[in-house]
Amino acid sequence: GAGVSQSPSNKVTEKGKDVELRCDPISGHTALYWYRQRLGQGLEFLIYFQGNSAPDKSGLPSDRFSAERTGESVSTLTIQRTQQEDSAVYLCASSFQGFRGYTFGSGTRLTVV
Amino acid sequence: AQSVTQPDIHITVSEGASLELRCNYSYGATPYLFWYVQSPGQGLQLLLKYFSGDTLVQGIKGFEAEFKRSQSSFNLRKPSVHWSDAAEYFCAVGAGNTGKLIFGQGTTLQVKP
Repeated sequence: GAGVSQSPSNKVTEKGKDVELRCDPISGHTALYWYRQRLGQGLEFLIYFQGNSAPDKSGLPSDRFSAERTGESVSTLTIQRTQQEDSAVYLCASSFQGFRGYTFGSGTRLTVV
Repeated sequence: AQSVTQPDIHITVSEGASLELRCNYSYGATPYLFWYVQSPGQGLQLLLKYFSGDTLVQGIKGFEAEFKRSQSSFNLRKPSVHWSDAAEYFCAVGAGNTGKLIFGQGTTLQVKP
C-alpha cells in the first residue's frame, strides 16, 4: 500500500481481556517496528522485525506482550490480560532497511477500562 | 545506553518570533538524528534528519537543525514561527543501523498571536 496501515484506529477493552493490534507495512519494506506512546510521553521502542524474525525485542514491557510477523508482511502485537497502564497509542513503522524509507503509521489508540 | 533529552517540556513563543528547541543525546558512535512533529490527533511527521556530512540540516516547513558533536546536541530552529507550528516536537536518535529509534520526551510548542 501507499503507507503503513494500522487497525483498529481505536480500541476500548475491559481490563483483563486480550487485544490484537495489526500493522500492514509498506510493500517491500523488510523492517518493521512497534512503539508505544503513553499520554504526554515520547515514543518507547517495543520490538523490531527483520523479515519474520525479531532480532530486538528488548522493549517489550512484560511477558503479557508478544508480537509476530508473517514473512515481510503484516505484523500483530498481542497484549494479554490487559491492564490500565497498557492504555496508550501503539505506533508501527516500516522501512526498506535501517532508516531508509522509514515511515510511521497513524497508530492504534488503546484504552483499557 | 543511548538516550535523548529534551530539556524544555513546554515553550511559548509569539507568532513571528524565532524558535529554538533543544535536544541533547547520548550515543557512543556517530549518531543518526531526527526531528519529528506531532499535531493533536495526527501522526508523526518527519521534519528533518542528519546522517552525515554538512552539520546544518534543512527540513520541511522552514525548519533547520544543527548537529554539534562537541556538545552532543541537535537543536531545532526556525527564524519565524507561524501559528500552525503549534504542536509536539520530538527529537530522536537512531540506535545503530537497525532502524531502532530512541525518542526524547517531547517539547510542546504554543504560539501566541
